[in-house]
Amino acid sequence: DTAVSQTPKYLVTQMGNDKSIKCEQNLGHDTMYWYKQDSKKFLKIMFSYNNKELIINETVPNRFSPKSPDKAHLNLHINSLELGDSAVYFCASSQVEGASRAFFGQGTRLTVV
Amino acid sequence: AQSVTQLGSHVSVSEGALVLLRCNYSSSVPPYLFWYVQYPNQGLQLLLKYTSAATLVKGINGFEAEFKKSETSFHLTKPSAHMRDAAEYFCAVSGLGSGNTGKLIFGQGTTLQVKP
Repeated sequence: DTAVSQTPKYLVTQMGNDKSIKCEQNLGHDTMYWYKQDSKKFLKIMFSYNNKELIINETVPNRFSPKSPDKAHLNLHINSLELGDSAVYFCASSQVEGASRAFFGQGTRLTVV
Repeated sequence: AQSVTQLGSHVSVSEGALVLLRCNYSSSVPPYLFWYVQYPNQGLQLLLKYTSAATLVKGINGFEAEFKKSETSFHLTKPSAHMRDAAEYFCAVSGLGSGNTGKLIFGQGTTLQVKP
């Protein structure tokens, strides 16, 4: 069983479109995250949810809207896609206590053309 | 505030040689430190983590790292490189700052190339 799964793995779309990426974890973790990896492979956190409550929003444009219907799911919706949104988006989950390791999904490679 | 610096964006070693990937951190609170590996077109996999229990941390695939507070370093080593170790390696810090949200702050990554 995949611990953290995201769909789709690849997403190619035109500028101006709206798209969603879905993420699910079966680890029973309370906290989920979205990270963005740019073309230089730099990873930066975008959002974090704890028990369906937003706890981190790292100055991401409001075209990006995370939604957590329950603590096992954290979806990312992106409106009016721009060329600069092209990146790999990783979902992750963890138990926040102490130094619990974060489990990462396989990533979604978004290409905006 | 916390930050991580990985010295050397690209490291090349011969198969069987020592691997040394450097990581320095900055943290105003006791840090938790991690090394993750990313194989091509895959997600991140935890190699090892430091949680203040022991300064020398052993991880998977023969990797280990030593926490040196005086040097604010957490360098990753492996005595003998294998071809399968070729990947991208990320050092990350988390901690009790900002309410311990579990947020990871990553270094810029180091590409490890292993030559036959």
